[in-house]
Amino acid sequence: EPEVTQTPSHQVTQMGQEVILRCVPISNHLYFYWYRQILGQKVEFLVSFYNNEISEKSEIFDDQFSVERPDGSNFTLKIRSTKLEDSAMYFCATQLAGYTDTQYFGPGTRLTVL
Amino acid sequence: KQEVTQIPAALSVPEGENLVLNCSFTDSAIYNLQWFRQDPGKGLTSLLLIQSSQREQTSGRLNASLDKSSGRSTLYIAASQPGDSATYLCAINMDSNYQLIWGAGTKLIIKP
Repeated sequence: EPEVTQTPSHQVTQMGQEVILRCVPISNHLYFYWYRQILGQKVEFLVSFYNNEISEKSEIFDDQFSVERPDGSNFTLKIRSTKLEDSAMYFCATQLAGYTDTQYFGPGTRLTVL
Repeated sequence: KQEVTQIPAALSVPEGENLVLNCSFTDSAIYNLQWFRQDPGKGLTSLLLIQSSQREQTSGRLNASLDKSSGRSTLYIAASQPGDSATYLCAINMDSNYQLIWGAGTKLIIKP
């Protein structure tokens, strides 16, 4: 069964550094998402992406964050200057059609900012 | 603003029991509701998606029901097994947007 993959599984970085989290969606899916889960808290929506542009973003997704799909396969989340409070598990999700469909999640990247 | 609540936060039952997990929401203008399973340190596995026009969905030993007007969904697990131990999350799609809004989850432990 096709699945969403994410790399790396764990990233440790120093505060102020840039990180790029990568996701390979299921091949025929058209909608892409990033969510995060701070330890012990609810999963939170960050951004949705369709047709090579952002379709929705939350208030968490400020100017420090960006997303792109540079080569038509990988879907990336970049954090330009990491803060301690960015430490969380970041999940990529993909979806075949719009919000009528199931979102399929990757295994996550655990980001630790020191 | 939609709020999603899951009670209880944790539940421990002996193997073999049938059990019900609850999810409530404050705004009934939902498009659909999904139940997910999360194992420690792992990703989110979709279990069932129930559209707002549906009353229930079934997959194996799992049955999800939805009562939109009262803002409630339940996940029924029949004949529980130790392998069912995980955190169960419900998440909602509102009309006309794409993001999922999440509950905090119920941590389920099935004792052998």
